[in-house]
Amino acid sequence: DVKVTQSSRYLVKRTGEKVFLECVQDMDHENMFWYRQDPGLGLRLIYFSYDVKMKEKGDIPEGYSVSREKKERFSLILESASTNQTSMYLCASSQPGTGTRSKLFFGSGTQLSVL
Amino acid sequence: SQELEQSPQSLIVQEGKNLTINCTSSKTLYGLYWYKQKYGEGLIFLMMLQKGGEEKSHEKITAKLDEKKQQSSLHITASQPSHAGIYLCGADKTGNTPLVFGKGTRLSVIA
Repeated sequence: DVKVTQSSRYLVKRTGEKVFLECVQDMDHENMFWYRQDPGLGLRLIYFSYDVKMKEKGDIPEGYSVSREKKERFSLILESASTNQTSMYLCASSQPGTGTRSKLFFGSGTQLSVL
Repeated sequence: SQELEQSPQSLIVQEGKNLTINCTSSKTLYGLYWYKQKYGEGLIFLMMLQKGGEEKSHEKITAKLDEKKQQSSLHITASQPSHAGIYLCGADKTGNTPLVFGKGTRLSVIA
């Protein structure tokens, strides 16, 4: 069964801490994505990557960075966590291309609370 | 940027009833994806529509894309408790671009 695995389901951090959210996929997908999901705002794209060592800013990249040293792993970094980064973080991966072939596969999410 | 409006925001239906969720775009869609999310979990792919007028079904769920490719509807027939969750539509703007999502419709099915 294909999988996108996020390292933690729940995480509690303090303001100012550096936070790493890890995501690993076993489908040899080229594309990987980080979204955050907030009530009333839906899913918003933070960063994405179409290849190893490549990254692109999404709609809300401020306060975040990413790392993709290996094809299967895409890490989201909160340089200095703030309370407004309390959210559900969802990682996804896909094949390049169009149509059903490029559908997103999502991880189970990480609920991050910043106190 | 492309916006997707979903309606209704939430829905409570009695088990066995039919329901429809709508997703409307401000621009012509290249592709429209429907996902389901169980509370506190990741999204599960349901269907993808690409051609104007296209319709697809999976078990008791049917999705349609209108001819102008700006509106999609998701219809559930004879709803069951297992259908409960959040339904999200996602749009591909031009092909191979990150999906933009609507805010979701929260469905509850009561006995």
